[in-house]
Amino acid sequence: KAGVTQTPRYLIKTRGQQVTLSCSPISGHRSVSWYQQTPGQGLQFLFEYFSETQRNKGNFPGRFSGRQFSNSRSEMNVSTLELGDSALYLCASSLVSGQQFFGPGTRLTVL
Amino acid sequence: ILNVEQSPQSLHVQEGDSTNFTCSFPSSNFYALHWYRWETAKSPEALFVMTLNGDEKKKGRISATLNTKEGYSYLYIKGSQPEDSATYLCAHWALEAGSYQLTFGKGTKLSVIP
Repeated sequence: KAGVTQTPRYLIKTRGQQVTLSCSPISGHRSVSWYQQTPGQGLQFLFEYFSETQRNKGNFPGRFSGRQFSNSRSEMNVSTLELGDSALYLCASSLVSGQQFFGPGTRLTVL
Repeated sequence: ILNVEQSPQSLHVQEGDSTNFTCSFPSSNFYALHWYRWETAKSPEALFVMTLNGDEKKKGRISATLNTKEGYSYLYIKGSQPEDSATYLCAHWALEAGSYQLTFGKGTKLSVIP
């Protein structure tokens, strides 16, 4: 089975812009979760989508949003980018809400 | 806010040594405890998912135990090898503010010296 894929792998944006990241889960996985990792912080949970519905949400501002399509692919959007949004964004898929299978991540740099 | 603490933050061991590290987590609202290995330039890879108090899981030279009543889990590596060098993350799956969240610790970075 192909693993979780994320595009793009690297991204450079400027403050105030918005960005959309994409994640394709493992075939058959219906749950997709998004995480942010910044230097000095552990992986922080952003949100989880299951069957096109946001099922769980972490403690992030409303500038962070996401959606899931009928084929389980998911996108994450960050609007009005801030310098502090520079991070590695990982998505992970799972069958229900169990063991997470991670993608390679998107490295976002905000200048 | 749930706090997941891992110790030590980092350690260096000689090849062949056995080692262990700790993950502590709030014991309330517990649903599951995950362990992941994250090698540099790779994606985190799942090691174990444990749900029951007293659970013990094993995968090759790596094993883990779980105590949900006191809120801790141990990860053991027997006969460490250079390829075991990685950051080991634990994550606590629990209900917080109406949502189930996977809360990660900051990890234990293991370096195995040949």
